[in-house]
Amino acid sequence: AQTVTQSQPEMSVQEAETVTLSCTYDTSESDYYLFWYKQPPSRQMILVIRQEAYKQQNATENRFSVNFQKAAKSFSLKISDSQLGDAAMYFCAYRSGDTLAGSYQLTFGKGTKLSVIP
Amino acid sequence: GAGVSQSPSNKVTEKGKDVELRCDPISGHTALYWYRQSLGQGLEFLIYFQGNSAPDKSGLPSDRFSAERTGGSVSTLTIQRTQQEDSAVYLCASSSRQGEQYFGPGTRLTVT
Repeated sequence: AQTVTQSQPEMSVQEAETVTLSCTYDTSESDYYLFWYKQPPSRQMILVIRQEAYKQQNATENRFSVNFQKAAKSFSLKISDSQLGDAAMYFCAYRSGDTLAGSYQLTFGKGTKLSVIP
Repeated sequence: GAGVSQSPSNKVTEKGKDVELRCDPISGHTALYWYRQSLGQGLEFLIYFQGNSAPDKSGLPSDRFSAERTGGSVSTLTIQRTQQEDSAVYLCASSSRQGEQYFGPGTRLTVT
């Protein structure tokens, strides 16, 4: 079974600064996807960024980028130029890429609560 | 276009009562997922529907939980004889078969 670990229950960052959220995972599969989701107080889970395991290039979406270290099974999220609207819970998630597995459910970490200080 | 919608937004029920939670997926999405988010357990997968295939029920915590998806669209999650440990936020997501999952706003269930 796959597991996802987020070792930082809470983090804070000064507005306009950069913060990195950590995530490690455990899997025996070679084909998989990794995601970062953001959950503000409204409860809506919003996809921030995704990474395909077969791609060596780190994914980037505007101010959000990842550092994907496949051998180390590490998938950290970097938020640059932090804004007040970035304050939320951030969840790292894993999804199998094996079509034979049938279901494509996400396995989530426990989350990191990010506070942005004005 | 419209996103995933869920109803009710909040539900308070007495222990032992049955509840039904509804999910309307994004139009055209063939896959639908239910997850439970609770304080102690984080986000847990409950059940998965894909087209006309048999659902993957491997995440359902007990036989008090069941779900159906009618006409390949709307889904209902039913919890019978609710217990206090069922209190949680129930999230629904939909996707194209292998695509990203888009989540609804969830239903917060409180069992008193």
